[in-house]
Amino acid sequence: DSGVTQTPKHLITATGQRVTLRCSPRSGDLSVYWYQQSLDQGLQFLIQYYNGEERAKGNILERFSAQQFPDLHSELNLSSLELGDSALYFCASSVGRGVSYNEQFFGPGTRLTVL
Amino acid sequence: AQSVTQLDSQVPVFEEAPVELRCNYSSSVSVYLFWYVQYPNQGLQLLLKYLSGSTLVKGINGFEAEFNKSQTSFHLRKPSVHISDTAEYFCAVSDRVTPLVFGKGTRLSVIA
Repeated sequence: DSGVTQTPKHLITATGQRVTLRCSPRSGDLSVYWYQQSLDQGLQFLIQYYNGEERAKGNILERFSAQQFPDLHSELNLSSLELGDSALYFCASSVGRGVSYNEQFFGPGTRLTVL
Repeated sequence: AQSVTQLDSQVPVFEEAPVELRCNYSSSVSVYLFWYVQYPNQGLQLLLKYLSGSTLVKGINGFEAEFNKSQTSFHLRKPSVHISDTAEYFCAVSDRVTPLVFGKGTRLSVIA
């Protein structure tokens, strides 16, 4: 158990809909990262927040947005969903703001299926 | 921008045999290198990392990796694998500024 929690575990929805994925980081970690894992693209970094502020941005679509709240939990919002958005979405956390050398602790993921 | 190539998508190996999972990276600057493992239905877990210093890095569960700057490689090795090592292994690189870039993963299957 990494200490990172994600809800829900599974999500099935239809094209055009909007969903929210939730992540609680390990106690004491200030950075939260979001990743998308799919068979064709592999593991892709989406976005990082540090202590409530956006810190780094990766291959995140405009239809996707995220935020980190004062209690440090984070939400990833996916809207106008397409079939290709079906994937496993991971949240990770780390203690510092640095994007590179800190160990990231991964949650168990949310599997999103868009029908 | 940096990139990572994991040369083998699947590696089957018999129990107690040695294994090497290959990783090559490209970057124009100094890098940090990582290996993560993903067990079935779980998130990723850090196996080991190279930040600086000794090029031979030891990690958890008996794994080690060697950083070779001239070959731009960071291959993962274990002298004797167990059934419990069956998992997906990801190599990742960072140029110390931008976020981690992961390879596509190598699925290690240990056969009894």
